[in-house]
Amino acid sequence: EPEVTQTPSHQVTQMGQEVILRCVPISNHLYFYWYRQILGQKVEFLVSFYNNEISEKSEIFDDQFSVERPDGSNFTLKIRSTKLEDSAMYFCASSVVGRPGYGYTFGSGTRLTVV
Amino acid sequence: ILNVEQSPQSLHVQEGDSTNFTCSFPSSNFYALHWYRWETAKSPEALFVMTLNGDEKKKGRISATLNTKEGYSYLYIKGSQPEDSATYLCALYLEGNKLVFGAGTILRVKS
Repeated sequence: EPEVTQTPSHQVTQMGQEVILRCVPISNHLYFYWYRQILGQKVEFLVSFYNNEISEKSEIFDDQFSVERPDGSNFTLKIRSTKLEDSAMYFCASSVVGRPGYGYTFGSGTRLTVV
Repeated sequence: ILNVEQSPQSLHVQEGDSTNFTCSFPSSNFYALHWYRWETAKSPEALFVMTLNGDEKKKGRISATLNTKEGYSYLYIKGSQPEDSATYLCALYLEGNKLVFGAGTILRVKS
């Protein structure tokens, strides 16, 4: 069964530092996403990405956040200057197409702790 | 802001019991409803994607229904097993290829 792989599984960083969270989506999927879940809250949408462009982003996804697909396999989320409130579980997901009838495949997440 | 509600928040059942939980949402524009099963330390796994009013889907002992006019979806588990213990998430698929999630229902099945 193909999987979405996320690394690292847990990252601790100092406030103000840059972090890059990495994801390897399923190889024949075309749409990529980042979601996050702050402890005790709902899973929330950050950004969707297709054809090397952001197709949709939420209000959370401000100038401190960026995404990139640097090669044919990796999909990264960068947070430039982390804040305490960025502490959350970050999930990468991919889907074969961007249509309603298709489910997403999620990775197992990166737990980011900002201290 | 679209609000997706799930109830109950948590559920403890005995092995062999059948159970169901609810996902409620405003009957507004969305394109699909997704159900995910999420075990601790694993990735959320897609169970069902439902697009039409009256849709019913089944996978083994688990089934789901969708009523878009009244704004709810039910997930049923027949004869719960300990391996069914997980958090069950529903999410609405909106324009822009984004999902809006409920808070989830935590199911614990005791053997």
